[in-house]
Amino acid sequence: DQQVKQNSPSLSVQEGRISILNCDYTNSMFDYFLWYKKYPAEGPTFLISISSIKDKNEDGRFTVFLNKSAKHLSLHIVPSQPGDSAVYFCAASEDSGYALNFGKGTSLLVTP
Amino acid sequence: EAGVAQSPRYKIIEKRQSVAFWCNPISGHATLYWYQQILGQGPKLLIQFQNNGVVDDSQLPKDRFSAERLKGVDSTLKIQPAKLEDSAVYLCASTFLAVPTDTQYFGPGTRLTVL
Repeated sequence: DQQVKQNSPSLSVQEGRISILNCDYTNSMFDYFLWYKKYPAEGPTFLISISSIKDKNEDGRFTVFLNKSAKHLSLHIVPSQPGDSAVYFCAASEDSGYALNFGKGTSLLVTP
Repeated sequence: EAGVAQSPRYKIIEKRQSVAFWCNPISGHATLYWYQQILGQGPKLLIQFQNNGVVDDSQLPKDRFSAERLKGVDSTLKIQPAKLEDSAVYLCASTFLAVPTDTQYFGPGTRLTVL
């Protein structure tokens, strides 16, 4: 039962433009959401997070938006750079637990 | 600061053989996680340790998988006997605090191929 869904397996964006990666979840008990970035042959690295009490969190070029009523979050990367090309995983956890529930990932390609 | 170390990086075995993976978390990190990532999927938690005690092993296939974290530092994950569907990347992660909002730091993973 996939509780975190990333419905776009891949996304291609031109350098300098905005990348928008989407994520939906089904478990209303989730209250902490994260994005991880993964390069080939490396482990995932933490990118940005947001708790359910906020609807936006920004860190440099990366902004995560949370719409609790729609059970939807998105990651915006502005401006996109070729080095951003990686697989991006959305993850969520409940306050009462520690396990991260991951989506299947979206492969982002930023072309020069 | 050294990251999470895992070995081996790659392993190829035949089905019904046994295999073991090793993880050394970031120094001082009390919580350690093992994830299984099948190709095309996101990582799935297998087991979580807090120091040397198991916090959550609800998704660990206990008939063939076992894990231990002696002395609350290094950890080993074993599969015996392996099945074809065990082919995956096995990721180890660690956190300093045992709270959900603490960042999990991942190692590079061990890619297991079962033939």
